[in-house]
Amino acid sequence: QVQLQESGPGLVKPSGTLSLTCAVSGASIKSDNWWTWVRQSPGKGLEWIGEVYHTGATNHNSSLRSRVTMSVDKSNNQFSLKMNSVTAADTAMYYCARVLNYNAFDIWGQGTLVTVSS
Amino acid sequence: IVLTQSPVTLTSSPGERATLSCRASQSVGTFLAWYQQRPGQSPRLLIYDASYRATGIPARFSGSGSGTDFTLIINTLEPEDFAVYYCQHRRDWPRLAFGGGTRVEI
Repeated sequence: QVQLQESGPGLVKPSGTLSLTCAVSGASIKSDNWWTWVRQSPGKGLEWIGEVYHTGATNHNSSLRSRVTMSVDKSNNQFSLKMNSVTAADTAMYYCARVLNYNAFDIWGQGTLVTVSS
Repeated sequence: IVLTQSPVTLTSSPGERATLSCRASQSVGTFLAWYQQRPGQSPRLLIYDASYRATGIPARFSGSGSGTDFTLIINTLEPEDFAVYYCQHRRDWPRLAFGGGTRVEI
């Protein structure tokens, strides 16, 4: 079955860059799906960050656009998120997911907690 | 487009029926999904396109609605159904938003 697994540093310093990778297994990253990132601050709701297609096309949450870069690594069947100039407000659980029919997120990773602190 | 979920908290008992609401500030057609998030777990897709159950979702979950008013019904609550539920729209692709969530508690 399709599985997604996030990885990356759990601690990032303020003003630094958050870098996460989502490894996809059981499906090709080159399939007709977008691949997305969602985060959840402690005790809060879900916030969409953005998505990437295997061609490199991206869509972003406009509130985060200036700080976010997403990319695809087809050779390793994975996609990545970079967020610069992080602050404590970026402390959250970060999830990657597959987009179904362009609209809903049907397969989710287990999430990875990123804490922004000095 | 803003999604408002109600109630914020729903207190119910196993075996009862739960009705959750999601209201959009503008029409989203049927571009609406529902997710369940159990404590300490990732969200799980329950319903997409307003009324279609995702793969492996039990029949006690049903979604309905179109335009601005949507409902998720959980018939005969099971102990594992006590969780937080989110709605999400994608009417004006690529923009997307989630509702604030409804907690279903015992």
